[in-house]
Amino acid sequence: KAGVTQTPRYLIKTRGQQVTLSCSPISGHRSVSWYQQTPGQGLQFLFEYFSETQRNKGNFPGRFSGRQFSNSRSEMNVSTLELGDSALYLCASSVGQGWAEQYFGPGTRLTVT
Amino acid sequence: GIQVEQSPPDLILQEGANSTLRCNFSDSVNNLQWFHQNPWGQLINLFYIPSGTKQNGRLSATTVATERYSLLYISSSQTTDSGVYFCAVPSNTGKLIFGQGTTLQVKP
Repeated sequence: KAGVTQTPRYLIKTRGQQVTLSCSPISGHRSVSWYQQTPGQGLQFLFEYFSETQRNKGNFPGRFSGRQFSNSRSEMNVSTLELGDSALYLCASSVGQGWAEQYFGPGTRLTVT
Repeated sequence: GIQVEQSPPDLILQEGANSTLRCNFSDSVNNLQWFHQNPWGQLINLFYIPSGTKQNGRLSATTVATERYSLLYISSSQTTDSGVYFCAVPSNTGKLIFGQGTTLQVKP
């Protein structure tokens, strides 16, 4: 079974631009979660989608948004990029029931200049 | 909210040595995961272990849920074991709460 995939793997953007990242979960998984990893803050939860609905949200500004499609693929968008948004963005998928094991993709490394 | 603390923060070993990494959590949990973050950033699943002991090759993990800690054992370490090891537990809303990680360096 194929693992979680994320595209693109690397991205360089300029302050003020917007960016869209994509995540395809493991086949059969209905939950997709997004995390941001920075050297200073560690791994921080952004949001979770299950069956096209946002089920959980972390403490990030409204510039960070996401959605999930009927095939469980998910996208996250960051508008009006700031230098501090430079990070590794990881998505994870799970079957979504109870406290199921989560599996992570390879990540998208975003650099904002 | 639940707090997760890992120790030690950094560990340097000679190849062939054994090590124990610890994860403490502040509240009862429904599961616990150990991950190894490879040099490219991907989190590789090591163990899903809400309680008890599991083994996978040279790695094993034990979670004592009643005492709110988990241990990851690495035996006969190899240079490929280098990297950052994270433990994570779900909050009551299901999001994973990560520790700050243990950075392991195995020298040849």
